Amino acid sequence: GAGVSQTPSNKVTEKGKYVELRCDPISGHTALYWYRQSLGQGPEFLIYFQGTGAADDSGLPNDRFFAVRPEGSVSTLKIQRTERGDSAVYLCASSLSGDSYNEQFFGPGTRLTVL
Amino acid sequence: AQRVTQPEKLLSVFKGAPVELKCNYSYSGSPELFWYVQYSRQRLQLLLRHISRESIKGFTADLNKGETSFHLKKPFAQEEDSAMYYCALPQGGSEKLVFGKGMKLTVNP
Repeated sequence: GAGVSQTPSNKVTEKGKYVELRCDPISGHTALYWYRQSLGQGPEFLIYFQGTGAADDSGLPNDRFFAVRPEGSVSTLKIQRTERGDSAVYLCASSLSGDSYNEQFFGPGTRLTVL
Repeated sequence: AQRVTQPEKLLSVFKGAPVELKCNYSYSGSPELFWYVQYSRQRLQLLLRHISRESIKGFTADLNKGETSFHLKKPFAQEEDSAMYYCALPQGGSEKLVFGKGMKLTVNP
């Protein structure tokens, strides 16, 4: 079956612009996670959805970042007024439920470059 | 807050040599620990988890609570083991993972 997919695979934008990154989780997975991975670092947690609701958004760095999952499936990460420091690979993962013992399946990531 | 430390960024060995990728953690309870791997041009994927106590692709990892370590070991490395390896820990027993910075393993022919 299909794994987690993310679009676009690459996004280049200018400082100050708005971007949307999309994640399509594995069908039937209720839990969805967004992580950000900067160069030379491990993935860093941003936000976690259980169904349609954001169960934990404590990792979002500031109010320029927002994510939605309106129908409990596809999720969109939105970044307003992008800054050069937002450049990173944004990873999406999904799991069967939000239990910490469940394996998280990762997408290929979206590489965001802010010029 | 929970932390995961991978003290070495790079490890280069020859095929057939033993490898040990170090991971130390800080957590007050009984942790659930994971090793994730990312092969070249592939996505991040789970390699093994502490709770399963299994060997995957010849790799094992033992939780040592006294040393707060979860080192990944393989007695005879293969070229296909070359990849980035990340140790991870659920934060506060929740769903979100805290990752180490990763270690690049290169196995030379």
